[in-house]
Amino acid sequence: KAGVTQTPRYLIKTRGQQVTLSCSPISGHRSVSWYQQTPGQGLQFLFEYFSETQRNKGNFPGRFSGRQFSNSRSEMNVSTLELGDSALYLCASSRGTGFATNEKLFFGSGTQLSVL
Amino acid sequence: GQNIDQPTEMTATEGAIVQINCTYQTSGFNGLFWYQQHAGEAPTFLSYNVLDGLEEKGRFSSFLSRSKGYSYLLLKELQMKDSASYLCAVRTGMNTGFQKLVFGTGTRLLVSP
Repeated sequence: KAGVTQTPRYLIKTRGQQVTLSCSPISGHRSVSWYQQTPGQGLQFLFEYFSETQRNKGNFPGRFSGRQFSNSRSEMNVSTLELGDSALYLCASSRGTGFATNEKLFFGSGTQLSVL
Repeated sequence: GQNIDQPTEMTATEGAIVQINCTYQTSGFNGLFWYQQHAGEAPTFLSYNVLDGLEEKGRFSSFLSRSKGYSYLLLKELQMKDSASYLCAVRTGMNTGFQKLVFGTGTRLLVSP
């Protein structure tokens, strides 16, 4: 069974540009979450999608947005990039139904974004 | 607010035992997870606790005390490949299927020969 796939693996952008990151969840998983990882802050929750609907959102500015397609693949977009957006962006998938209380997240290897 | 504390870095010797502590204060609690993350790789699931007590899985064990807001991850018979970051995460929110995890900043473990 293929794992969570994120593309691209590395990205270099300049301030003011926008970027789109892609995530393909494990087959059969309908929930996709996005996290930002930085050395000082650890993993910070961005948002979660289930069946093409955003179910919850973290405390990030509106420049961060996402969407999910009917095949559960998800994209995350960051507009007007700032230097502080440099981070590892991790995508995680799960069944998302909540029937199993120990349901865990499966993470992709992330996209390393550098903003110059 | 949400606060999860764990030591920034720990060192240990191959073959030894190490305990990584995690304390948490969160609005809502629906389980505590431990993940392992090697440099440049995806975090991988290690353990899950929702009830008080010890969960053992091979060389790894995890303990939870909900009344104290405390958990630890115990690694026995350390191997060089155990050098990694260990992330403590609390699942918050209602049990509606939504999986929001609040993470600590991680503990970087260095195992030396």
